[in-house]
Amino acid sequence: GAVVSQHPSWVICKSGTSVKIECRSLDFQATTMFWYRQFPKQSLMLMATSNEGSKATYEQGVEKDKFLINHASLTLSTLTVTSAHPEDSSFYICSARIEGGLYEQYFGPGTRLTVT
Amino acid sequence: EDQVTQSPEALRLQEGESSSLNCSYTVSGLRGLFWYRQDPGKGPEFLFTLYSAGEEKEKERLKATLTKKESFLHITAPKPEDSATYLCAAAGPGGYQKVTFGTGTKLQVIP
Repeated sequence: GAVVSQHPSWVICKSGTSVKIECRSLDFQATTMFWYRQFPKQSLMLMATSNEGSKATYEQGVEKDKFLINHASLTLSTLTVTSAHPEDSSFYICSARIEGGLYEQYFGPGTRLTVT
Repeated sequence: EDQVTQSPEALRLQEGESSSLNCSYTVSGLRGLFWYRQDPGKGPEFLFTLYSAGEEKEKERLKATLTKKESFLHITAPKPEDSATYLCAAAGPGGYQKVTFGTGTKLQVIP
């Protein structure tokens, strides 16, 4: 149980284009999902908290206009990297908290984004 | 400010050589202490949640313990497939938005 999927698992795009990453909770409902970024040999950096039916909460220093988050249903959140640049290249990971559960977060497999 | 510190950064063990990973935390009003395993190029896999000092949880060769200041992940007779980065995280009274992650311990188990 508590399976989270992400799509795509990896993507290469050209500078200036936009990329959408999907995060789905497959066997549970998730009112709250989280988006993280992870640089090589570093820990997870929380980018934003996504709440179903409302605006996402972004961490300090994260550009909300660049990283658009939509949480359209209890099982789907999307992260769109707009006008991507090479410095946006990273490993993006989503997680979800089980509705009515405690504080555990269940993570997706991650998406490797490379901007050329 | 909440902090989670893991040590050592890297650990190399011979197969069968038991050891422990440390996670020190400074979180007022801890709501939960979590352990995750992360393989290269993948998302973290949930292992354990500990809620109060003195609590212990086990899963196969892993056992997690919690005190008021730190948590240990004990690995008994490890196998090469236990090689991974182990992440510790703590949730404070701010709820789910206040989960702080450590930088992880990279474990390598040599056959």
